[in-house]
Amino acid sequence: DAGVTQSPTHLIKTRGQHVTLRCSPISGHKSVSWYQQVLGQGPQFIFQYYEKEERGRGNFPDRFSARQFPNYSSELNVNALLLGDSALYLCASSPGRVGVEKLFFGSGTQLSVL
Amino acid sequence: TQLLEQSPQFLSIQEGENLTVYCNSSSVFSSLQWYRQEPGEGPVLLVTVVTGGEVKKLKRLTFQFGDARKDSSLHITAAQPGDTGLYLCAGLRVGGGADGLTFGKGTHLIIQP
Repeated sequence: DAGVTQSPTHLIKTRGQHVTLRCSPISGHKSVSWYQQVLGQGPQFIFQYYEKEERGRGNFPDRFSARQFPNYSSELNVNALLLGDSALYLCASSPGRVGVEKLFFGSGTQLSVL
Repeated sequence: TQLLEQSPQFLSIQEGENLTVYCNSSSVFSSLQWYRQEPGEGPVLLVTVVTGGEVKKLKRLTFQFGDARKDSSLHITAAQPGDTGLYLCAGLRVGGGADGLTFGKGTHLIIQP
């Protein structure tokens, strides 16, 4: 069975540009969460979507947005990129809403902003 | 201020030694998870603990949740080179389900042959 897939795996952008990252959850999983992991740090929560609705939002500026599609895949959009947005962006899926359920992470998208 | 403090940040030991990694907070968590992450990969869940005082064992790894559900530890017995990686603790705060998981900064563990 396919795990959580993310695309692209690597991306290089310049300041001020926008970027769209994509995530396909494990088949049957209805929840997708996005995390940002800066080098040397633990992942930081950005968004959670469940059944196509936003269920949680971390402490990130409005430049960050996301959505979940009817097939439960998800996109993370970041506008007006800053150097500090350079990070590994992780997508995680779970069968239901985040609780004691197991989160399955993808391998991430490594974003470099120059 | 880091909600979950992990210590040590870096640990390099010889194969066969024992080690303990700590995860501490002033906040109460409804559950706490430990993940292991390798370079270029996403974190992989090792264990979830939900009850204060709970102890779980996974082969040579022993996980403990503090009685007050504010801290946790990971003990590895007879470490092997394959244990090398970044160990992350992550918690779900009481009443904080909409906030997602809170992660610590991680412990970089290197087991030398």
